[in-house]
This record gives sequence, C-alpha cells and structure tokens, in this order.
Amino acid sequence: GAGVSQTPSNKVTEKGKYVELRCDPISGHTALYWYRQSLGQGPEFLIYFQGTGAADDSGLPNDRFFAVRPEGSVSTLKIQRTERGDSAVYLCASSWTLGSEAFFGQGTRLTVV
Amino acid sequence: QKEVEQDPGPLSVPEGAIVSLNCTYSNSAFQYFMWYRQYSRKGPELLMYTYSSGNKEDGRFTAQVDKSSKYISLFIRDSQPSDSATYLCATYLVFGKGTRLSVIA
Repeated sequence: GAGVSQTPSNKVTEKGKYVELRCDPISGHTALYWYRQSLGQGPEFLIYFQGTGAADDSGLPNDRFFAVRPEGSVSTLKIQRTERGDSAVYLCASSWTLGSEAFFGQGTRLTVV
Repeated sequence: QKEVEQDPGPLSVPEGAIVSLNCTYSNSAFQYFMWYRQYSRKGPELLMYTYSSGNKEDGRFTAQVDKSSKYISLFIRDSQPSDSATYLCATYLVFGKGTRLSVIA
C-alpha cells in the first residue's frame, strides 16, 4: 500500500472486553513497530517485529497485551481484559529494517469505558 | 534517566522566525535520529532522518546531530503558521515527549 494503514480508526469498548487492533505496513517493510500515545506525551514503545518474530517486546506493559505478525506483513495488537488506563492512541509504524526511516499510520484511538 | 529528553514547551514564535528545537539522548551507541511533526489527532509524519553526526538540510528544515554532546537539533527557517504542530525527536525505538510549537501570523 501507499502508507501504513491502521484499523479501526476509533474503537470504544467496555472495561473487561477483548480488543484487536490491526496494522497494515508499507509493502516490503520488514520492520514493524507498535507504540502507545497518551495526550500530551510522546509515543511510548510497545513492541518491534523484524519479519514474523517479535525482536523486542520489552515495552508491553503486562501480559494482557500481545501482538502477532504471522506472515511478516499485517500485525495485530491484542489487548485482553481491557482497563480504563488502556485508553490511548495506538500507533503503528514500519520501515525497511531497524534503523531506517520509519513511517507511521494515523493510529487507532481506543477508549475503554 | 529517560533515554531521550525533550523540552515540551509550548514554544510560540512570530511568523518568519527561525525556530530551534532540541533533544538530548543518553546512549552514545545510538547512530540514527529522526524528527517527526505531529498535527492534532494525526499520526507522526517523518520530517528528517539523519545517521551519525553532522547536518542535513531539506528545504526550510535543517537537522543537526552532535554526538560528542549527545544533542540533536531541528531548525526551521522562515516559520509559517502551518508549521504549528508538535515536533518529536526519536532514536532507536525511543521518542522524546514532543515540543508543541505555535507560529503566530
């Protein structure tokens, strides 16, 4: 695709529910990143994929958060038992490899009520 | 200490001014640096990418890296109201907090 695509753009869910956020990276980009951004803050790193494998998942806040990239392209961020504190904009970015220019999608705004 | 430090501002300048935005980083192993511009309720947009030390210029924007002092800068010449946004510095998976810039016509 022309750019990084994230769906849905907005998601409202009830506390305790499960959500999936999808990221479709730029075609050919092997590196994919998930970030979380709260109001007035910079993006906070969650996880980085190189190909199909999670090369660095040190930013995932707890075991309710999980991400996959089974075919090395589309990635899904999964959040179990959502909490109100999970409300934020979830950003996805991709690049040819770690260290090259990274391009972001428009984000998914998650609201947990 | 956070790995990338950035003054959150806000910074307000008149149209036409030269703007200087700065970040410091802690890990001397970092080799590449990026500056992003983010408008309200939008994703970050890549402005500048630099590798190692030195300057890089693109139109009205200049990115500068000083590895000896672990200091990175973004200069905006002839600033325009459309430059009003939050500017984020980043290196190796880590972002600064962002500096909110307003350019007043």
